[in-house]
Amino acid sequence: DSGVTQTPKHLITATGQRVTLRCSPRSGDLSVYWYQQSLDQGLQFLIQYYNGEERAKGNILERFSAQQFPDLHSELNLSSLELGDSALYFCASSVSAGGWNEQFFGPGTRLTVL
Amino acid sequence: EDKVVQSPLSLVVHEGDTVTLNCSYEVTNFRSLLWYKQEKKAPTFLFMLTSSGIEKKSGRLSSILDKKELFSILNITATQTGDSAIYLCAAWGGGADGLTFGKGTHLIIQP
Repeated sequence: DSGVTQTPKHLITATGQRVTLRCSPRSGDLSVYWYQQSLDQGLQFLIQYYNGEERAKGNILERFSAQQFPDLHSELNLSSLELGDSALYFCASSVSAGGWNEQFFGPGTRLTVL
Repeated sequence: EDKVVQSPLSLVVHEGDTVTLNCSYEVTNFRSLLWYKQEKKAPTFLFMLTSSGIEKKSGRLSSILDKKELFSILNITATQTGDSAIYLCAAWGGGADGLTFGKGTHLIIQP
């Protein structure tokens, strides 16, 4: 158990819908990272927040957005969902802003778009 | 566009064998290369490499980076069935673009 929690565990929804994935980082960690993992694209970095501010941005679609709240939990919002958005979404956290080597991954949320 | 390529994509060996996994990268302003192990769930961090030629070691696993030839290898000696996993390589350009991951090597260790 990494100490990072993600809810929900599984999510099934229809195309065109909007969903929110939630992540609570480890106690004391200020950075939250979001990743998408699909069979064809592999693991892709989406976005990083550090202490409430966006820090790094990867291959995140415009239909997706994220934020980090004052209590440091983060939410990833996915809208106008398409079949291709079906994937495993991971959240990770670290203490520092550049903590690529010390990030701890949550168990993931499996999103299925029908 | 930053790119990380891993090979082989899949590898099946017998317990006790030694394996070498490869990772090549093309990343603007390269800063670090990272290796992760992913079993059934989330990836777990193995190594971060920033300097050429300095081997990092953890038990039966070791890794080295060649910044001139733009590649890294991950070695696993005396493999065990518990080493079966997907091994992911990722490169960081030091900027605000985050990590670029390879597709992974799926390693299967047969008893």
